[in-house]
Amino acid sequence: TQLLEQSPQFLSIQEGENLTVYCNSSSVFSSLQWYRQEPGEGPVLLVTVVTGGEVKKLKRLTFQFGDARKDSSLHITAAQTGDTGLYLCAGVSGNTGKLIFGQGTTLQVKP
Amino acid sequence: DARVTQTPRHKVTEMGQEVTMRCQPILGHNTVFWYRQTMMQGLELLAYFRNRAPLDDSGMPKDRFSAEMPDATLATLKIQPSEPRDSAVYFCASGPQGGGTLNQPQHFGDGTRLSIL
Repeated sequence: TQLLEQSPQFLSIQEGENLTVYCNSSSVFSSLQWYRQEPGEGPVLLVTVVTGGEVKKLKRLTFQFGDARKDSSLHITAAQTGDTGLYLCAGVSGNTGKLIFGQGTTLQVKP
Repeated sequence: DARVTQTPRHKVTEMGQEVTMRCQPILGHNTVFWYRQTMMQGLELLAYFRNRAPLDDSGMPKDRFSAEMPDATLATLKIQPSEPRDSAVYFCASGPQGGGTLNQPQHFGDGTRLSIL
């Protein structure tokens, strides 16, 4: 069974701080997606990384896919209160094509 | 912006009752997914369809859950009989051709929050 472990599970920081969220697995994924979910809403796709070692930037968010395509990280620079939410990584299984989600990281950015 | 629409947004009912959740995928999307989200398990895939045909429902308890796509604009998830452990938020997502695989994104609805008393 392919599993994705996210860490930390919860993160509470002050506005302006930097943070990194990790997504790890012992399995290889054909690609990996990051979603952000706000209370009462469904997850919204932020980015997809496909190539081992790939780095993608979305404003203050930097996403990296591990060289072996087993892990990924999300780094947020100078966090803002609007970044508060649940961040989910999801790996695309090369065998089935299905998305396998991590448990999520709940981020709270305080003013 | 096109959106996935789920109804109802909230449902509270007693155990043993039938529950039907509905989903209208984004027009033109041919792949539809049903997920369940709980604090303990996170997001779990229950079933998914491509071109209205069920491709995989291995994540779904077969004895009480059923998922169908009567037409391209409607997907349903039914629970009969419902149990307290079914309490969760149920999400529907749709994707374009090959949606949910490789680079294709999934577009989620806002979910049905289900409480079984």
